[in-house]
Amino acid sequence: QQQVKQSPQSLIVQKGGISIINCAYENTAFDYFPWYQQFPGKGPALLIAIRPDVSEKKEGRFTISFNKSAKQFSLHIMDSQPGDSATYFCAARGHNLFFGTGTRLTVIP
Amino acid sequence: DAMVIQNPRYQVTQFGKPVTLSCSQTLNHNVMYWYQQKSSQAPKLLFHYYDKDFNNEADTPDNFQSRRPNTSFCFLDIRSPGLGDAAMYLCATSRDSGGAGFGYNEQFFGPGTRLTVL
Repeated sequence: QQQVKQSPQSLIVQKGGISIINCAYENTAFDYFPWYQQFPGKGPALLIAIRPDVSEKKEGRFTISFNKSAKQFSLHIMDSQPGDSATYFCAARGHNLFFGTGTRLTVIP
Repeated sequence: DAMVIQNPRYQVTQFGKPVTLSCSQTLNHNVMYWYQQKSSQAPKLLFHYYDKDFNNEADTPDNFQSRRPNTSFCFLDIRSPGLGDAAMYLCATSRDSGGAGFGYNEQFFGPGTRLTVL
């Protein structure tokens, strides 16, 4: 059973555009929601994270929007750049860290 | 630079032949994790060490074992690899103080070992 559902599976965005990746969860016990970025041949690296008592967190071009009542959260990448091309995983913390299935983002010049 | 190192980066083994993957860290973190990541899938936690305490996930097959001889090193042993065990194996570390705050600290991942089973 997938604890965290992530969409889309892949995303192509033009340089300068906005990339949006969505995640949903069911377990209300989850209380920490990180996003990881993974480049080919590398391990995932923490990008940005949020606690459910906050509705939005912004770090540079990356923003997490969190909707506790809908049990959904999303990653927005503003002014997307070719260097942002990677696989992005959302995750949720319960007794372990549960990952979404990943979104392969391609930013075309 | 402080980091998580995994060796080898690529490992080829034969069906049923035991294999050991290694992870070392210079971060002095007290928690070490092993994840399995199959192609186009999310990383799946196999087990973790909280200090010397081993915590196995309920659905981790008995074929997978782990050892942590000291703070810096952790090993993943696959006793009899099957074709379905071909995957990327990721080691991660974190510093946790336990209690209600466990798991909120960032996990630092190594580059992974890609295992091929022939």
